[in-house]
Amino acid sequence: DGGITQSPKYLFRKEGQNVTLSCEQNLNHDAMYWYRQDPGQGLRLIYYSQIVNDFQKGDIAEGYSVSREKKESFPLTVTSAQKNPTAFYLCASSGRTESSYNSPLHFGNGTRLTVT
Amino acid sequence: AQSVTQLDSQVPVFEEAPVELRCNYSSSVSVYLFWYVQYPNQGLQLLLKYLSGSTLVESINGFEAEFNKSQTSFHLRKPSVHISDTAEYFCAVIESSSNTGKLIFGQGTTLQVKP
Repeated sequence: DGGITQSPKYLFRKEGQNVTLSCEQNLNHDAMYWYRQDPGQGLRLIYYSQIVNDFQKGDIAEGYSVSREKKESFPLTVTSAQKNPTAFYLCASSGRTESSYNSPLHFGNGTRLTVT
Repeated sequence: AQSVTQLDSQVPVFEEAPVELRCNYSSSVSVYLFWYVQYPNQGLQLLLKYLSGSTLVESINGFEAEFNKSQTSFHLRKPSVHISDTAEYFCAVIESSSNTGKLIFGQGTTLQVKP
């Protein structure tokens, strides 16, 4: 079955450590996204990538970094500069092209990061 | 700038009762609209979408939403809910002319169906 795999499901880190969240998709989608979800705040966009080797900052990119070396993979690094890293992180992809932005997002099952 | 407001953070309802989850958006241009559902500790799943054409759109599990351009709303309704509908629901919008594919999400509404 095609889909998006996020790993691990739960992640615990000490404050001051960088941590990388994995996101892999086998949907052959061009575009990939990272969202952060906090209770009562909906989803906020961290970074997105529309093509390999290119990515753009979303609304809350500070303290995060990404790479897009392969079409299938879009890992997110939460750095020690992120002041409130504890959250639920969701990766998504879509088959959008320049002429079609009505394809729905497909989401992974998320990674719950807890930093203490 | 676009924004989405979901007017209720929580909606408690008894099983088999009707429900409406409200969504209003702000945009000066043409938009596409979506409703997503999220079950506990899972990602979001697309429930239904409005792109163009008929303003009433339906999902396979009995939900429907109506696009109202004059009121900039896209409320989600179901005539009779089940316990299994308990979840969080997100309304989302994107400009139809967008070249980034960035969805803007509302804050979410938790639907609690009681027996």
